Amino acid sequence: SAVISQKPSRDICQRGTSLTIQCQVDSQVTMMFWYRQQPGQSLTLIATANQGSEATYESGFVIDKFPISRPNLTFSTLTVSNMSPEDSSIYLCSVDTGAPRSAFFGQGTRLTVV
Amino acid sequence: GQQLNQSPQSMFIQEGEDVSMNCTSSSIFNTWLWYKQDPGEGPVLLIALYKAGELTSNGRLTAQFGITRKDSFLNISASIPSDVGIYFCAGQSVNAGNMLTFGGGTRLMVKP
Repeated sequence: SAVISQKPSRDICQRGTSLTIQCQVDSQVTMMFWYRQQPGQSLTLIATANQGSEATYESGFVIDKFPISRPNLTFSTLTVSNMSPEDSSIYLCSVDTGAPRSAFFGQGTRLTVV
Repeated sequence: GQQLNQSPQSMFIQEGEDVSMNCTSSSIFNTWLWYKQDPGEGPVLLIALYKAGELTSNGRLTAQFGITRKDSFLNISASIPSDVGIYFCAGQSVNAGNMLTFGGGTRLMVKP
């Protein structure tokens, strides 16, 4: 397993501002992912955070809105840019530990945009 | 993209009863994962399944990887109030870069 720490755990932000969420893992992992969970919904993959290269974004998500950094194998950040109330969601960091394949999640960042 | 249909969406059960939920997909998965999410928390991995036909238990929880690799079920025996939460299935495919596809969730509510 992996221990994943996400910061902040929650925040209330003004529209038009940006928030950067940090994800720290207690061990080196190859694959890190960022998910969004809108209120009452399931999880949707935003992007795969690649170490040493640009993140791979899923359909409907773009780098200008959700820039991601992955400077090493234990850390990643997701920025939610130019926020609007529609961005109010839980944002979750996830890691895949490899063999055997399992995916673990941080506790999430609950974002409210007002 | 891949779709996972999870059912039921929600259920009330009496404490002590057994619970069953399942997920079906139009695509084959290499791995099935079952999670529980409590309010204000991230999903917690309950059971991971890696082979078609595999049956795995974790305490009162039992899950199976369907023979066709397109479905999985989770059973909870003798439910208790702390079983309340949202349960998600997730399928992982090597052909999709190992990304997870999630079901819509089953909200479990237990009557004390």
